[in-house]
Parts: sequence; C-alpha cells; structure tokens
Amino acid sequence: QITLKESGPTLVKPTQTLTLTCTFSGFSLSSAGVGVGWIRQPPGKALEWLALIYWDDERRYSPSLKSRLTITKDTSKNQVVLTMTNMDPVDTATYYCAHGAPGYNYADVWGMGTTVTVSS
Amino acid sequence: SVLTQPPSVSGAPGQRVTISCTGTNSNLGAAYHVHWYQQLPGTAPKLLIYGNDNRPSGVPDRFSGSKSGTSASLAITGLQAEDEADYYCQSYDTSLSGWVFGGGTKLTVL
Repeated sequence: QITLKESGPTLVKPTQTLTLTCTFSGFSLSSAGVGVGWIRQPPGKALEWLALIYWDDERRYSPSLKSRLTITKDTSKNQVVLTMTNMDPVDTATYYCAHGAPGYNYADVWGMGTTVTVSS
Repeated sequence: SVLTQPPSVSGAPGQRVTISCTGTNSNLGAAYHVHWYQQLPGTAPKLLIYGNDNRPSGVPDRFSGSKSGTSASLAITGLQAEDEADYYCQSYDTSLSGWVFGGGTKLTVL
C-alpha cells in the first residue's frame, strides 16, 4: 500500500524559504519509472502543479515558479524535499505530494496535504 | 489554467452530467492522456479516471471518461448526493514539460 505524508511549517514569513518534506512508503524512488510530484492549492482555488522528481533524478519544474523551486530526493530515507524561496502571501496554500504512476503522467496516490500560511 | 473546465455543473439525483475539459495542441491535442480527479470537500484529490477512460479499482462504473482531439469529458451517470465534489482534469504539456490541471468544476447535486 502506497502512502505519502507531507510535513513542514504551517506559518512562514514573507521572503523566507519554505522547506517541505514528503515521507512515503510502499514504493521505492529508485525503481524505474517512479516519480513524486508536488501540487498546491490556494484556498478556494484550483490545483497547481509545482515540481516532479523521477527515479533517475530527472527533475521538472513549473516554468512560472522554476526560479524559486528546488526538488530533491533521499532514497534511503524515502523522502522528497521541496524548497521554495522568497515566499509571498500569494503562496498561501495546501501543498500536496503525490506518487507518479510509473511511466505515466498522473498522480495515482496523494498525501493528505499540509497547509502553509505566509504572513508577517 | 492551461486546461479549461466549466466552473460548475449540476444535476438531480439519478441524472447524467458531463464535465468538459479543453486543451491545446501541446497537451490533449498532442495525444497525451487526460486524467480526472475527484476532490470531496476538505479532502485531498483522488484519482478517478486515468489514461482517458480507465477507472482505478474501487471507482464505480457510473464514472466514465473520453477524449477526442483537444477535448475530453467526464460523465457521471446515476448521480448520487455523495458525488457532490470538485472535479479536475489533468494532462502533460510538452511545451511546459510538466503536468497541467484544469481550473476545476464544482458538481452540485440538486
């Protein structure tokens, strides 16, 4: 059974850097084709894809946020970390990590999400 | 959003509703699959349809998907109160080199 859980601060100040961790079980990020993605959802708004990291360390970023994002993996810890720099109140959202179905471009299992508020 | 969905749809219990998803030649029109997610109030999205028209185990056959060219649709038959949720379409975009989502459609069961 695949599970993912997001963790990180619930409140960050403007201009600070956000670091979120996705801890997963039930799969290995060293298995061919596997990926983990981050998606966010501002309150009352739509889902927005942020970043993806694959088993072979290939990384993809949303073009609109690429300059602010870094995604990394620690296969031994079964974790994926997303950092977002220069946080702004518009970045207030629920942040989800999700398992990317091997070889396909969709999320078949999602974490419960973690809510991040950006405020001074 | 890169993919376009109607903001809302509604239907009475037992009826059939459809939700459209319109893309471009860099996503749906480039033969990339469309996938659908259901988000019940206060919960994380859940995969509903993958690969245009496939249902994960446990998803009722009342839910079906289709795709043609740059457009896709999600159909729900025998509408039930528990179907009231937000629905999102998603695909891959070759020009953005990543996932793209629709703006979401709120389904109201009257």
